[in-house]
Amino acid sequence: NAGVTQTPKFQVLKTGQSMTLQCAQDMNHEYMSWYRQDPGMGLRLIHYSVGAGITDQGEVPNGYNVSRSTTEDFPLRLLSAAPSQTSVYFCASSPAQEASQETQYFGPGTRLLVL
Amino acid sequence: RKEVEQDPGPFNVPEGATVAFNCTYSNSASQSFFWYRQDCRKEPKLLMSVYSSGNEDGRFTAQLNRASQYISLLIRDSKLSDSATYLCVVNKADSWGKLQFGAGTQVVVTP
Repeated sequence: NAGVTQTPKFQVLKTGQSMTLQCAQDMNHEYMSWYRQDPGMGLRLIHYSVGAGITDQGEVPNGYNVSRSTTEDFPLRLLSAAPSQTSVYFCASSPAQEASQETQYFGPGTRLLVL
Repeated sequence: RKEVEQDPGPFNVPEGATVAFNCTYSNSASQSFFWYRQDCRKEPKLLMSVYSSGNEDGRFTAQLNRASQYISLLIRDSKLSDSATYLCVVNKADSWGKLQFGAGTQVVVTP
């Protein structure tokens, strides 16, 4: 298994540009999520999905859209990039909906710089 | 106030020594607690879950104190490879899968 994969690894955008961060997992996990990590702060949940066709907002959803058309893929779209979206983005997946199995498996991250 | 707070460190530890650090959480209804490890410029990886009675995994011991709302991590016989940032993670009790991450405690093990 490749686990959780993310592309691209690095990206530089200009303010106002749009882009999609790709995330895929091959572990047949129902739950997937996107986080951003900024210096001095914990990971913050952007959006999450409990299964194909179901998405919901996390703590910091503004400026981002997601969709979940398949179990495997969970892309994150930046509609109009802003410098405040400069961050490291992690995608994660989790196998079950039991509290004792909330272990999240993270992708390697995408480093985004918005100029 | 942050929902999960950690001392950012760094904790500088001689190789072979013991280091311990805590994490406090604000939601008394939280049910699940974890320690994740994050190496520089890498993704977080689960180190261990934290159980009510405390638990060990090799050189690592985790404790939960519900009354005072903190969890702790102790590393014995520190190795150079233990150098990393340790993230305290607590679930939001009212919603499965919505985890709250602390900003991390940096540990540097020196020869």
